[in-house]
Amino acid sequence: GENVEQHPSTLSVQEGDSAVIKCTYSDSASNYFPWYKQELGKRPQLIIDIRSNVGEKKDQRIAVTLNKTAKHFSLHITETQPEDSAVYFCAASSYYGNNRLAFGKGNQVVVIP
Amino acid sequence: NAGVTQTPKFQVLKTGQSMTLQCAQDMNHNSMYWYRQDPGMGLRLIYYSASEGTTDKGEVPNGYNVSRLNKREFSLRLESAAPSQTSVYFCASSAHNEQFFGPGTRLTVL
Repeated sequence: GENVEQHPSTLSVQEGDSAVIKCTYSDSASNYFPWYKQELGKRPQLIIDIRSNVGEKKDQRIAVTLNKTAKHFSLHITETQPEDSAVYFCAASSYYGNNRLAFGKGNQVVVIP
Repeated sequence: NAGVTQTPKFQVLKTGQSMTLQCAQDMNHNSMYWYRQDPGMGLRLIYYSASEGTTDKGEVPNGYNVSRLNKREFSLRLESAAPSQTSVYFCASSAHNEQFFGPGTRLTVL
């Protein structure tokens, strides 16, 4: 099955700087790559996703890039704010896997005011 | 719309007790999922249901059973709880790819 890995496990950034989290996946058939944000004590919520026919997608301060050849995708957060502090999970799925999501273990992002 | 709801929010069990976690969604989604979340382990799939009447094992199904009661409801049962099942349990539903999560149930097994 699909194996998704996230690096680094914890990322501390100064407010206003950029944060980048990278994930790698193993199954070349995966075609959907979402990113979820989970604040302390809350449920995971989708913040952005990308499909395999697109290389980059942006939504205000966040963006996701996908490199299918290298099988990795990254989350970019610009102009970080304290409310960006959370755990971020990447995931991957494929039609052949019944669209089940395989999640990475998560990255703790801490934005230092 | 309430989205995905779960009951109870918190539960403490003794080893060997049984209980059922309830999940319901009002988004008319076909697929529903049960995950457990442990520190440093991310979200691990226990069971899923691609449509009403079908269920399949996920990554960590041992010690659990599920029932897809109808299109709205998907329950998770622990027949004989063990301390290793102490975790936060999330239910989710999806129509295609995006999954919507419930608020979670924090379960402690003593």
